[in-house]
Amino acid sequence: EVQLVESGGDLVQPGGSLRLSCVFSGFTFKTYAMTWVRQAPGKGLEGVSFISASGTNTYYADSVRGRFTISRDSSKNTLYLQMSSLRAEDTAVYYCAKGALGDYPYFDSWGQGTLVTVSS
Amino acid sequence: SYELTQPPSVSVSPGQTARITCSGDAFPKKYAYWYQQKSGQAPVLVLYEDTRRPSGIPERFSGSSSGTTATLTISGAQVEDEADYYCSSTDNTPNPRFGGGTKLTVL
Repeated sequence: EVQLVESGGDLVQPGGSLRLSCVFSGFTFKTYAMTWVRQAPGKGLEGVSFISASGTNTYYADSVRGRFTISRDSSKNTLYLQMSSLRAEDTAVYYCAKGALGDYPYFDSWGQGTLVTVSS
Repeated sequence: SYELTQPPSVSVSPGQTARITCSGDAFPKKYAYWYQQKSGQAPVLVLYEDTRRPSGIPERFSGSSSGTTATLTISGAQVEDEADYYCSSTDNTPNPRFGGGTKLTVL
């Protein structure tokens, strides 16, 4: 059974940094692309970042490019999102999700999310 | 522009057919993907590549795409189908873009 568990969400001040983790099991990590998707309170979904199965290629939403970094560690079965220069508008539940085989841009397993609150 | 536009809400009675549209310049060059999100839960993939259903998704969920509009159809909607539905596609990168979401009410 595929499982993804996010952690690292917290209350952080504007301008601060945070690292989210997503630990997964039940599949061969390096075969699948991964993504981070966020959802602000009461709002819709926003694709934050995508990393290819190999980890070679990374992509970001315009709203986070230059501030967020996605990475993956196959030895630890873990996906990361390093967030810096956080803003109030980054407040959201952050989901990690597993892609289909290869680098296709759809996601068939999701974690339950971790809440990031940016506020002074 | 790679914006995806969905109606904010759709309402049907149980057993009726619900259709949720998603319009955008990404189509038909790019595929549409559809996710269901029930209150307080993570999204679930219900359709991929316009028309394909992942295993475990009921047959009443189907999809189509024509011109710049993709459509999710729920034939014989059930109370348990009540949820927010999001279409998704991509621009020049595989980072997913989402429509604004459609709240489906079945009552």
